[in-house]
Amino acid sequence: DAGVIQSPRHEVTEMGQEVTLRCKPISGHNSLFWYRQTMMRGLELLIYFNNNVPIDDSGMPEDRFSAKMPNASFSTLKIQPSEPRDSAVYFCASSFRSTGNTIYFGEGSWLTVV
Amino acid sequence: DQQVKQNSPSLSVQEGRISILNCDYTNSMFDYFLWYKKYPAEGPTFLISISSIKDKNEDGRFTVFLNKSAKHLSLHIVPSQPGDSAVYFCAALSAGGTSYGKLTFGQGTILTVHP
Repeated sequence: DAGVIQSPRHEVTEMGQEVTLRCKPISGHNSLFWYRQTMMRGLELLIYFNNNVPIDDSGMPEDRFSAKMPNASFSTLKIQPSEPRDSAVYFCASSFRSTGNTIYFGEGSWLTVV
Repeated sequence: DQQVKQNSPSLSVQEGRISILNCDYTNSMFDYFLWYKKYPAEGPTFLISISSIKDKNEDGRFTVFLNKSAKHLSLHIVPSQPGDSAVYFCAALSAGGTSYGKLTFGQGTILTVHP
């Protein structure tokens, strides 16, 4: 099993640019989560999908952030326009809801906005 | 409002001894509690979980204890090994309704196991 796959692993971009982070969940999992880790706030949930449908996006910080899940094997988190305070590690995670008290994380995408 | 707290930022233990990592929570509606280990530049790795209806779960060297009345859980690692050195996160999960999957994390405890 390949685990949750995220890309890019590292991204450095200039303020105002669009950033797109990608995630491939574990095959067969039907729930997908985007988390963000910062020094100030620790690990916090941004949004999660169940069967490709966004269920709870209350953690998305503002309208500059958007997430999509066009199919069961792919999701994107987009920031447009990016700002320096968006610099963080963004984790994607997945689980199988019916049995799922275990959520598996990807390696993270390290974003730096300068 | 911090619903999950790990009050010890760090813990240092000798190899072979027991490591005890503690976690407190405030929301009695959580259904599961999970422990994750995290190395630098990697994602959190699931270690062990416990249902809110249990008081103990064991998996190899790892045992998690849950005291619901005290809203407290702990992770015991016996015996501790240098490879266990990492940041350990306690997390609480709501399994029902629209809150499903909302893992609420503690701040983490840095465990260092000395040879």
